[in-house]
Amino acid sequence: DAGVIQSPRHEVTEMGQEVTLRCKPISGHNSLFWYRQTMMRGLELLIYFNNNVPIDDSGMPEDRFSAKMPNASFSTLKIQPSEPRDSAVYFCASRRDRKNIQYFGAGTRLSVL
Amino acid sequence: AQSVSQHNHHVILSEAASLELGCNYSYGGTVNLFWYVQYPGQHLQLLLKYFSGDPLVKGIKGFEAEFIKSKFSFNLRKPSVQWSDTAEYFCAVNADNYGQNFVFGPGTRLSVLP
Repeated sequence: DAGVIQSPRHEVTEMGQEVTLRCKPISGHNSLFWYRQTMMRGLELLIYFNNNVPIDDSGMPEDRFSAKMPNASFSTLKIQPSEPRDSAVYFCASRRDRKNIQYFGAGTRLSVL
Repeated sequence: AQSVSQHNHHVILSEAASLELGCNYSYGGTVNLFWYVQYPGQHLQLLLKYFSGDPLVKGIKGFEAEFIKSKFSFNLRKPSVQWSDTAEYFCAVNADNYGQNFVFGPGTRLSVLP
């Protein structure tokens, strides 16, 4: 099993640019989570999907952030336009069902200059 | 709303010292409890979990945790830490009555001095 796969591992961009982060969950998992981790705020849940449907996006900081899950094997988190305060490590995690643990991807380290 | 608190922001120990990291959550009902570890520069990995049954749970690398329902606590312990245990430790709670998402605690950074 390849685990949760995120790409890119590192992203450096300039303020105002669009950024797209990608996640491939573990096959057979039906829940997917996007987290943001910063020194100041710790680990924050941004949004999670169940069976490709967004269930709770209350953690999405503002309208510049959007997430999609067009199918069971792929999700994107988009920031448009990006700002320096968006710099963080973004983790994706997936879970088979409510009685199982979350498995985390390696994360994408985003730097917005 | 769900909340998870961890007692210590940063813990510094010498090798071979015993470790206990506190975790408390704020609501009743059936809960699933987890401890994750994040080594420097890496992603979160599961240390141990509690769903039901024996409240003393053993995890990987010699870690264990005890669920005390009356205290709403799930403290992590290790009798003798190693330098390689230096990492950040996150407690997480998933309550059956509160949907499917996890709530993570703020994390405790553990530094083990050689």
